[in-house]
Amino acid sequence: GAGVSQSPSNKVTEKGKDVELRCDPISGHTALYWYRQSLGQGLEFLIYFQGNSAPDKSGLPSDRFSAERTGGSVSTLTIQRTQQEDSAVYLCASSSGQGMDYGYTFGSGTRLTVV
Amino acid sequence: AQSVTQLGSHVSVSEGALVLLRCNYSSSVPPYLFWYVQYPNQGLQLLLKYTSAATLVKGINGFEAEFKKSETSFHLTKPSAHMSDAAEYFCAVRASSASKIIFGSGTRLSIRP
Repeated sequence: GAGVSQSPSNKVTEKGKDVELRCDPISGHTALYWYRQSLGQGLEFLIYFQGNSAPDKSGLPSDRFSAERTGGSVSTLTIQRTQQEDSAVYLCASSSGQGMDYGYTFGSGTRLTVV
Repeated sequence: AQSVTQLGSHVSVSEGALVLLRCNYSSSVPPYLFWYVQYPNQGLQLLLKYTSAATLVKGINGFEAEFKKSETSFHLTKPSAHMSDAAEYFCAVRASSASKIIFGSGTRLSIRP
């Protein structure tokens, strides 16, 4: 697609439930990143994909968080047994990862609220 | 390891005044540096980037930033603020050998009429 698409744009869930957040990167972009932005905070790195592999998952806060990428395209971030501290905007970005393209293109994010 | 420090979580300027948003970085290897802007309820948009070419980088919407190695700084400036510049601005760094970008905590820019 023309840009990075994230769905849903908003998600309200009850504490303890599982949620799945989806990211469709720009077509042909091999690198994909997930970040978390909490209220009043900067962007916290979660995980990086190159193709379907995740060479850097150092930012995942706990084992309740997992992510996968299939076909070198769509990625899903799953949060199990959600807690109130998981409330944040989850941003996805993609990059061609080649040549001089060192910047990312971001999606509009998924605003997750755990009640 | 790389890190970024943005001085001032909130900056307020009058319309038409100079905008200066401060960013200092730490990197053990030559860095690539970025400024991103986030308008309310939107994702981040790249303003400009430094990738070891010219030290003065011009971006969109009249913004520019200067890479100063001796000061480890990459401050963002705009000569004359416009109401539409009100947004959150993030400075970011990526080591040339690294795969991910590290972001600062952001500076919220307000413009007074």
